[in-house]
Amino acid sequence: GNSVTQMEGPVTLSEEAFLTINCTYTATGYPSLFWYVQYPGEGLQLLLKATKADDKGSNKGFEATYRKETTSFHLEKGSVQVSDSAVYFCALEITQGGSEKLVFGKGTKLTVNP
Amino acid sequence: ETGVTQTPRHLVMGMTNKKSLKCEQHLGHNAMYWYKQSAKKPLELMFVYSLEERVENNSVPSRFSPECPNSSHLFLHLHTLQPEDSALYLCASSQGVSGLGYEQYFGPGTRLTVT
Repeated sequence: GNSVTQMEGPVTLSEEAFLTINCTYTATGYPSLFWYVQYPGEGLQLLLKATKADDKGSNKGFEATYRKETTSFHLEKGSVQVSDSAVYFCALEITQGGSEKLVFGKGTKLTVNP
Repeated sequence: ETGVTQTPRHLVMGMTNKKSLKCEQHLGHNAMYWYKQSAKKPLELMFVYSLEERVENNSVPSRFSPECPNSSHLFLHLHTLQPEDSALYLCASSQGVSGLGYEQYFGPGTRLTVT
């Protein structure tokens, strides 16, 4: 079936540290891949996306590369800030029943300390 | 108002109550979604509407009843809920349900507690 596996959290880092959140997926075909972010008390926001193999999505200093050979879409940031503290969700888009739908991972909570 | 709004933000209800959650999108989108977010579980897609027609119902119990009177409004009617239904209910909208990489825009959610 279609599924997304994210690294278990929580992740706690100091400001300016390097961040990696691992994400691997199982899917038939070549789905679009997404990272969403949920700040405290808010809904999810799209952070970045990639629609085909070897595409790199980037936004706000975050990057993720669609790796078909390892079925991965790991999220990275070179220097995190306190304001990056949030829950991060990896997701893939599949076609089911004639419509597109998102399948999410469980989320990884990131806390950045000053 | 901009984006996707949800009311109420918090709701506490007894198992015999009937209540409704409301979602409104101001983005001119054609598709709307209800998700359930429980602690330590992935987001669960509950319902999908495209142009006011339900296109997806993910085996959701009948105590949850969606309604989409127009492309801007989506309701989730609740009755005789169970304590395990306590969760954050998120509404989202997108330009369409078919197509590569349509972004979904989420509301802030309604935190539901069933006592």
